[in-house]
Amino acid sequence: QSVLTQPPSVSGAPGQRVTISCTRSSSNIGAGYDVHWYQQVPGTAPKLLIYGNNNRPSGVPDRFSGSKSDTSASLAITGLQAEDEADYYCQSYDSSLSGWVFGGGTKLTVL
Amino acid sequence: EVQLVESGGGLVEPGGSLRLSCVAAGFTFSDYRMSWVRQAPGKGLEWVSSIISRSTSISYSDSVKGRFTISRDNAKNSLYLQMNSLRAEDTAVYYCARFSGSYPYNWFDPWGQGTLVTVSS
Repeated sequence: QSVLTQPPSVSGAPGQRVTISCTRSSSNIGAGYDVHWYQQVPGTAPKLLIYGNNNRPSGVPDRFSGSKSDTSASLAITGLQAEDEADYYCQSYDSSLSGWVFGGGTKLTVL
Repeated sequence: EVQLVESGGGLVEPGGSLRLSCVAAGFTFSDYRMSWVRQAPGKGLEWVSSIISRSTSISYSDSVKGRFTISRDNAKNSLYLQMNSLRAEDTAVYYCARFSGSYPYNWFDPWGQGTLVTVSS
């Protein structure tokens, strides 16, 4: 069981908006640690999508955005495209484990 | 272009050992903390170990502590993972990743293509 909790799957039609949540315990997101997001197309390596809660690396479309509250973080994808179909992971630091942790991953299906 | 290339994966029997390597290019390797992250077949991502630029600070996940050893050779732009006492549950694709940001707010970017380790008799 992952320290960060994500929904196993989400889906949406092309052009729609979807959000993926990442809920925490008090020793990671709730402790103020940043949340980062990765996209992994099956069979390939993960790719950084969002860093520092809401920052996009160069080359990532502005359709992807991140947010964080005291209790959770979210990844939003607007204008859904077929190429967005992938697994998405959140990541943070956990002080009780003294290490970096990932959510269990969310499979996005574009209908 | 920043590039990370892993090697050394393969099939090993339970209790055996394996050494993974990762060669970096396109950035000043000695300036960065580096990490290993693994992914078991059909499962999610799991952080394994990290090492800072001068090897003076090293971290391991509880699942590998005492069995795995991370090291680096800045002169060769290389990162290593010595894996001993391997178990079936260590079967995974092992990714080398550069650590960015300030401790402990770090993120992993970029990632190598991964190398598959299979522990089975």
